Amino acid sequence: SQQGEEDPQALSIQEGENATMNCSYKTSINNLQWYRQNSGRGLVHLILIRSNEREKHSGRLRVTLDTSKKSSSLLITASRAADTASYFCATQPRIGSQGNLIFGKGTKLSVKP
Amino acid sequence: NAGVTQTPKFQVLKTGQSMTLQCAQDMNHEYMSWYRQDPGMGLRLIHYSVGAGITDQGEVPNGYNVSRSTTEDFPLRLLSAAPSQTSVYFCASSYSSGGKNTFGSGTRLTVV
Repeated sequence: SQQGEEDPQALSIQEGENATMNCSYKTSINNLQWYRQNSGRGLVHLILIRSNEREKHSGRLRVTLDTSKKSSSLLITASRAADTASYFCATQPRIGSQGNLIFGKGTKLSVKP
Repeated sequence: NAGVTQTPKFQVLKTGQSMTLQCAQDMNHEYMSWYRQDPGMGLRLIHYSVGAGITDQGEVPNGYNVSRSTTEDFPLRLLSAAPSQTSVYFCASSYSSGGKNTFGSGTRLTVV
């Protein structure tokens, strides 16, 4: 049962540019999280935004949440080659899923030096 | 370093063999979970536990068993390996089911 869907599936940019990834989901949520996965590694938590929040910042990361459109975006400013990774959104549905997170399929970001 | 430790990192099994993937965390998290990651499929929840002695099924539990005798450990057992279980397996832990998860580095399993 796929709740979150990231868009685009793949993104290639030059170092210094901004990268924007989007996540859409289907049902009401308690929170939405973004994770990063470097090739061959585990996922690393980036940011959590609750359903009553609209925007959060962490360093070069900015996350927005629009519950009316059931969508979120992750913006990475001034990207670096080290930002090359796959990025996943995960949602905690308000009802169902026994409160467990449901992950999307990810956006593969490539930052060229 | 505090975190989630998974062993082994790589494993090759023959069809029909059984094995246990180990997962341990030292953050005193109540919630632990197992995911499998397949190309183009994202992460799918296999089993989870909300505390010692309590486990439940996720989205894709068939062919896997779990137990949670301590807060720290959450092993995943493959009962009779099948090629369809070839995947990368991740263990994660969190204070609660919908909270920030800390992931292990994964076990890459191939079933031939």
